[in-house]
Parts: sequence; structure tokens; C-alpha cells
Amino acid sequence: GAGVSQSPRYKVAKRGQDVALRCDPISGHVSLFWYQQALGQGPEFLTYFQNEAQLDKSGLPSDRFFAERPEGSVSTLKIQRTQQEDSAVYLCASSLARLAGVGDTQYFGPGTRLTVL
Amino acid sequence: KQEVTQIPAALSVPEGENLVLNCSFTDSAIYNLQWFRQDPGKGLTSLLLIQSSQREQTSGRLNASLDKSSGRSTLYIAASQPGDSATYLCALYNFNKFYFGSGTKLNVKP
Repeated sequence: GAGVSQSPRYKVAKRGQDVALRCDPISGHVSLFWYQQALGQGPEFLTYFQNEAQLDKSGLPSDRFFAERPEGSVSTLKIQRTQQEDSAVYLCASSLARLAGVGDTQYFGPGTRLTVL
Repeated sequence: KQEVTQIPAALSVPEGENLVLNCSFTDSAIYNLQWFRQDPGKGLTSLLLIQSSQREQTSGRLNASLDKSSGRSTLYIAASQPGDSATYLCALYNFNKFYFGSGTKLNVKP
């Protein structure tokens, strides 16, 4: 595929359910980012991977949020015991460079819209 | 923490107008600044990237400037078209993460 893909595109969960959101980055991209975008707001950083290493998880809002990228390609964002405030669009982005930025561009997926009832 | 503000939050203009979108930030310690476009139901598309050492970048009808000393960036769109209608986000990059503004929602009327 030419771009970053995410699945599912839409997810409805009942409060308390666990959800798993998948991101397929562009092949060969070293860096992978997850963002949370609330309605009418800009994306907020959640976590950053360099290959399989999670180098920064400072944006994860609680210990209910967990992300992994075990083989340095596909990543999964898991949310346990979902709450209504978790409703948002979750965006994944990847970039080629070891250190994103400094001349590099992030490529974003279309996002997963999560609605928690 | 880096704070990014975009003004105006929404803008409606007739086709053909030149327009300026504004972005201000509080911390000048950045690697780069990017302007993104977001269409409903889609991800973000990078429009322009300005390195910390640069003052501006141009691509077609778009020109972005960066003034770190004043904590400001502007995105200039020349001869706007209905296809330019979207939300425009500025984002500052440092320490492995982007800090985004809330965006300017642009509507260009035919």
C-alpha cells in the first residue's frame, strides 16, 4: 500500500469494553506515532515508537492505554475498560527517519473514530 | 509545555481571495514547523515543512513563514479555490512529538 492504513475505521464500544486499534505504517518507516484527536481540537500526542522500541509514552492519558509494535512494523493501540471520555479519533502516523522531524515528514492514516456509549 | 494557538478558528471567503492563517506558539525551541491540511474523515496531509533555521517555504499557491523570535507562523494562500476548503493545522516538532494547534476551518465559496 502507498500510505498509512488504520483499522477499523469506526468502532463503537460499550463503556467498560476493551478495544484494539491497528495501524499499518508505510513499509520501511522507522518511526511511528499515535495521536488522539477530540472533536474540534488538534491531535494530541500519545506515544512514539522507533522500530519496536517505545521511546516516549508520555502522552498516554492513563494506564488503561497500551501500545505495542512488536516487530517494528504494525502497531496496536489498546484501550482497556473504555470510558466515554475516550471517544475521539485515533490517528497513526509514520515517518522514514530515525528521528522524525529535522527534515522529515510524517504521513498520517485516516484515523479510527472510537465512540464509547 | 508547548502551547499552539491558531487564529481565526473559522474563516469563510469568496473564491479568488488571498488569505492568511495565523499560528502562534510559546516555546521557540523547535526542530521544525509543519502546516497540515485535514479533510473530513481523512487523515492529515503535510503541506509545508519549515526547518528551525529557515524563514519560509513555498509550494504552488502556498507560502509559509516562520519567526521563532516572536513565536509566530503564517500560512498564505493565494487565489483561493473551493477545493482549498478544509481545516488547516499547524504543528511544531521537538523532542519526538508534534504539538498541534486546534486548526482553522476554511470555507472557500464558489
